[in-house]
Amino acid sequence: GQNIDQPTEMTATEGAIVQINCTYQTSGFNGLFWYQQHAGEAPTFLSYNVLDGLEEKGRFSSFLSRSKGYSYLLLKELQMKDSASYLCAVIDSNYQLIWGAGTKLIIKP
Amino acid sequence: GAVVSQHPSWVICKSGTSVKIECRSLDFQATTMFWYRQFPKQSLMLMATSNEGSKATYEQGVEKDKFLINHASLTLSTLTVTSAHPEDSSFYICSASGGGDYYEQYFGPGTRLTVT
Repeated sequence: GQNIDQPTEMTATEGAIVQINCTYQTSGFNGLFWYQQHAGEAPTFLSYNVLDGLEEKGRFSSFLSRSKGYSYLLLKELQMKDSASYLCAVIDSNYQLIWGAGTKLIIKP
Repeated sequence: GAVVSQHPSWVICKSGTSVKIECRSLDFQATTMFWYRQFPKQSLMLMATSNEGSKATYEQGVEKDKFLINHASLTLSTLTVTSAHPEDSSFYICSASGGGDYYEQYFGPGTRLTVT
C-alpha cells in the first residue's frame, strides 16, 4: 500500500526553527509537495521537490532524499502566523497525489 | 496567476435537499479538477477526479450517485450533493491542475456545508 507519515502535532517557540519530517512509501515517485493549511481554509502551496537536495524559499526550506523516501520542511524565524497544519503530498507513478495526514504546528510566544 | 474560486463559501440546507457547489479556474485552463472533503481535524480526503468532457473517477467508498460531478468546460466543475444528510456536513474543497511539468494543484477556498 501507499503510505505517508508525518508527526501529528509539533510545538515551537516564536523566533525559533522547526523541522517537520515526512517519510513516504509509494508506488513510484514523481515529486513531493508541501502545503500549508490554516484552520478553516484551503491548502496553499509552499514547495515542490523532485530532485534530491534542499530548496530554499525565504523562511521556508524543503529537503528531499529519494533514496530514503524522506523529506522535511524547515521553518526559520517562526512567527505566530505560521501556526497551521503542514501537509506532505507525493505524486506516485500514476500521477496521483497521495496526501499525508498533516502536521499541526503550534507556535507559542 | 492560478486562481481557483468556489461558490458558495458556505451553505446551510435541510436534510433531503440537494446542494450544488461550483469550482472555477479563473486564469488558466484546468485539464483536471479534484474534489476533496475534509472533516474537522482530519486530513484531506479525495472524493473524485474529473477531466474536462469525461466522467469523473470516484475514489473507493464515495457514492457517485450521491455526489454528482460535472466538468463541462476547462474552467468549471460542479459538485452536487444529492439528498443531503447531516453526515454530509463537511468542508468541501476543489482544486485544479493545468497539467504541465509541475502537476501542482491550485486549491479553491473551500465550501462549508451544513445539513440540518
